[in-house]
Amino acid sequence: DIQMTQSPSSLSASVGDRVTITCRASQNISKYLNWYQQKPAKAPKLLIYAASSLQSGVPSRFSGSGSGTDFTLTISSLQPEDFATYYCQQTYTIPDTFGQGAKLEIK
Amino acid sequence: QVQLVQSGAEVKKPGASVKVSCKASGYTFTAYYIHWVRQAPGQGLEWMGWINPKSGVTNSAQKFQGRVTMTRDTSMSTAYVELSSLRSDDTAVYYCARGWHEYGDHGRGWMDSWGRGTLVTVSS
Repeated sequence: DIQMTQSPSSLSASVGDRVTITCRASQNISKYLNWYQQKPAKAPKLLIYAASSLQSGVPSRFSGSGSGTDFTLTISSLQPEDFATYYCQQTYTIPDTFGQGAKLEIK
Repeated sequence: QVQLVQSGAEVKKPGASVKVSCKASGYTFTAYYIHWVRQAPGQGLEWMGWINPKSGVTNSAQKFQGRVTMTRDTSMSTAYVELSSLRSDDTAVYYCARGWHEYGDHGRGWMDSWGRGTLVTVSS
């Protein structure tokens, strides 16, 4: 199975900050990397698909980049509603696998 | 709008089976895959598998093979996942999600709409 490693696992930031979360795959996954946001007791929400495509309805402050093994999710200016846990997921090879999550907390 | 409505919480004893349903509305049920993802308390997301509602073809993580059955009823636009031989570490919220695959049954896609989840508790 392809292992997905996110860093950092947790981070504190302030409203207005620029934040970057990294996801590394244990082997080449081309562009098949998705990002999800999950708030407590809620279902995950798709933010970015195929590494860099913004899901409809998601604010443009969210962006994704990368290919191969290294990917990033960037939030350009944190808003109060962005404090949540973020997961990357590879779908290049079955089984689809998720990173362990990155918890973004208010500083 | 797209909606996935899941069945209610379940409490099961070790060794039993559980079947969770996921009723889709707001789109053509057979045009998208249905994935199943679970999340143990305080833990991350774990992909279980998917079903192609049009053909009934399924694919699941090796970890669950032999214990998981994914089915669908196209007349009711509903997908089901059944997990057998339950253990305490199967206690989790089980989510269904609509999936789009660039390569059909070879996957490579994303999950764009999710159900609210079904809590399955396994306890003696």
